[in-house]
Amino acid sequence: SQQGEEDPQALSIQEGENATMNCSYKTSINNLQWYRQNSGRGLVHLILIRSNEREKHSGRLRVTLDTSKKSSSLLITASRAADTASYFCATDGGGGSNYKLTFGKGTLLTVNP
Amino acid sequence: ETGVTQSPTHLIKTRGQQVTLRCSSQSGHNTVSWYQQALGQGPQFIFQYYREEENGRGNFPPRFSGLQFPNYSSELNVNALELDDSALYLCASSPRGANSDTQYFGPGTRLTVL
Repeated sequence: SQQGEEDPQALSIQEGENATMNCSYKTSINNLQWYRQNSGRGLVHLILIRSNEREKHSGRLRVTLDTSKKSSSLLITASRAADTASYFCATDGGGGSNYKLTFGKGTLLTVNP
Repeated sequence: ETGVTQSPTHLIKTRGQQVTLRCSSQSGHNTVSWYQQALGQGPQFIFQYYREEENGRGNFPPRFSGLQFPNYSSELNVNALELDDSALYLCASSPRGANSDTQYFGPGTRLTVL
């Protein structure tokens, strides 16, 4: 079953614009991660935010986490055509099931040159 | 590039056959997890191996089985293939044992069942 649900399912923007993707989840977590996938290939880890953190930055990426609302957002600033990919949030199971990641269905981001 | 490799890249099988997929983990990583990703969906956790033992399993039937070897490489075996097994199979390694910290994914094996 999918724990995380990304929103929107698809997003199309122009190069230079910012892209915001949201993720909601259902159970308690230890951490939440965002991954990127280019065209049916392997996933690339982007950023991890722990449950006691509210915001984290990495380069052009900014992630927020609101554990009270069980939601997270990923902001990509000054987007580039090379950012075109699917983006997934992934949560661990929290508690005793933190060995696995549960992914949402992803947001397909298209950045037009 | 994560250093995680998978073979083969693509595979075509017919219903009822058996398949073995292989994964070499990143150097120094002792944990391997396997995921199934159907078209248009996010990856779904199959199972994890830590120090050659199954450490946790998702909602997959027993015909999905695995192994981890002393060098931490791993195999995923699927028996009695069904059409719905067609998917991208991803393995991921991590350095910290039974912990869902950052996982490093391989490029995947695309399995098609006819």
